[in-house]
Amino acid sequence: NAGVTQTPKFRVLKTGQSMTLLCAQDMNHEYMYWYRQDPGMGLRLIHYSVGEGTTAKGEVPDGYNVSRLKKQNFLLGLESAAPSQTSVYFCASSYLAGDALSNQPQHFGDGTRLSIL
Amino acid sequence: DAKTTQPTSMDCAEGRAANLPCNHSTISGNEYVYWYRQIHSQGPQYIIHGLKNNETNEMASLIITEDRKSSTLILPHATLRDTAVYYCIVRVAWFNTGANSKLTFGKGITLSVRP
Repeated sequence: NAGVTQTPKFRVLKTGQSMTLLCAQDMNHEYMYWYRQDPGMGLRLIHYSVGEGTTAKGEVPDGYNVSRLKKQNFLLGLESAAPSQTSVYFCASSYLAGDALSNQPQHFGDGTRLSIL
Repeated sequence: DAKTTQPTSMDCAEGRAANLPCNHSTISGNEYVYWYRQIHSQGPQYIIHGLKNNETNEMASLIITEDRKSSTLILPHATLRDTAVYYCIVRVAWFNTGANSKLTFGKGITLSVRP
């Protein structure tokens, strides 16, 4: 019963390096999200996806790219890492409800702790 | 989405009920109230949500006032493992589109359960 799995759990990068964070969910959810969480602040949405092959910008998309080639995976890429991107990154997924007035909760992974030196 | 206001912190004794308040005075008719919690070093965990009726599940109860301007999350028998940051969030439900489905997390309330 894995739910939402994020890899890696920890990573240290040097400024200018690139990397990809992987999020995988086994609940057949349509929606997937990437958030970042910084000390003293709530979670902020980076990018999200409403289905395979689609992505959209959230509140803080600059410096990040995403891809959703398969329904179960949502990738977050940093092309040229900057110290300001040091954060804890959370992926989430949710089911698309058929009833417009119902709501489905988001299920979160345990995060990727990324430090950029 | 409507803004929520929560106290910064509270504590309660283990085994007692923990009542966590939330004000959302600008809530709209089509906005749900959600509660999540985040235990240290873990991802947020969904607890419960509701529109206007009181709700109960295996984790907690949600009491929403008749005017929907405030709500209370009740953990009936708090344990040490319930020590966490609890987030009250209101969110538009209509059409459940991607743009409306994002959650806006504030700073939450830190609940400390003491032995």
